[in-house]
Amino acid sequence: KAGVTQTPRYLIKTRGQQVTLSCSPISGHRSVSWYQQTPGQGLQFLFEYFSETQRNKGNFPGRFSGRQFSNSRSEMNVSTLELGDSALYLCASSLGGQSGNEQFFGPGTRLTVL
Amino acid sequence: GQQVMQIPQYQHVQEGEDFTTYCNSSTTLSNIQWYKQRPGGHPVFLIQLVKSGEVKKQKRLTFQFGEAKKNSSLHITATQTTDVGTYFCAGNSGNTPLVFGKGTRLSVIA
Repeated sequence: KAGVTQTPRYLIKTRGQQVTLSCSPISGHRSVSWYQQTPGQGLQFLFEYFSETQRNKGNFPGRFSGRQFSNSRSEMNVSTLELGDSALYLCASSLGGQSGNEQFFGPGTRLTVL
Repeated sequence: GQQVMQIPQYQHVQEGEDFTTYCNSSTTLSNIQWYKQRPGGHPVFLIQLVKSGEVKKQKRLTFQFGEAKKNSSLHITATQTTDVGTYFCAGNSGNTPLVFGKGTRLSVIA
């Protein structure tokens, strides 16, 4: 079974621009979560989608948004990029049902904001 | 909100020594999970504990869930260079999202 895929793998943007990241979950997984990982901060939860609905949301500003499509693929968007948005963005899928199930992570998208 | 604290932040051990990382939650957890992230990689699920006082073993790794379901530990016996990486605990309550600790980065000196 193919794992979680994320595109692009690397991205360089400048302040003020916007970016869209994509995640394809494992086949059959209906839940997709997004995390931001920065050195020393661990994994910070952004949001979780289940069956095209946002089920949970972390403490990030409204510049961070996401959506999920009917095939469970998900995108996240960051508008008006700031230097502090430079991070590894990880997507994780799970079977769904309840939040807190085993997470299967993708390789991540490394975003650099200049 | 729920917070998960993990100590130590870093641990350097000689190959063959034991290693332990501790995880403490500010609230009672429904379950706790452990993940390993190799340098340059992504987190990979190791195990999930759901019962109070539960102990699970995977070869040289021993995982414990506290009686109050607010703390957990991961112990590695006789570390090997393949154990290098960052170990994260993550927990949740009910239908809340998983909250990850900041991780313990393990270095093993051969």
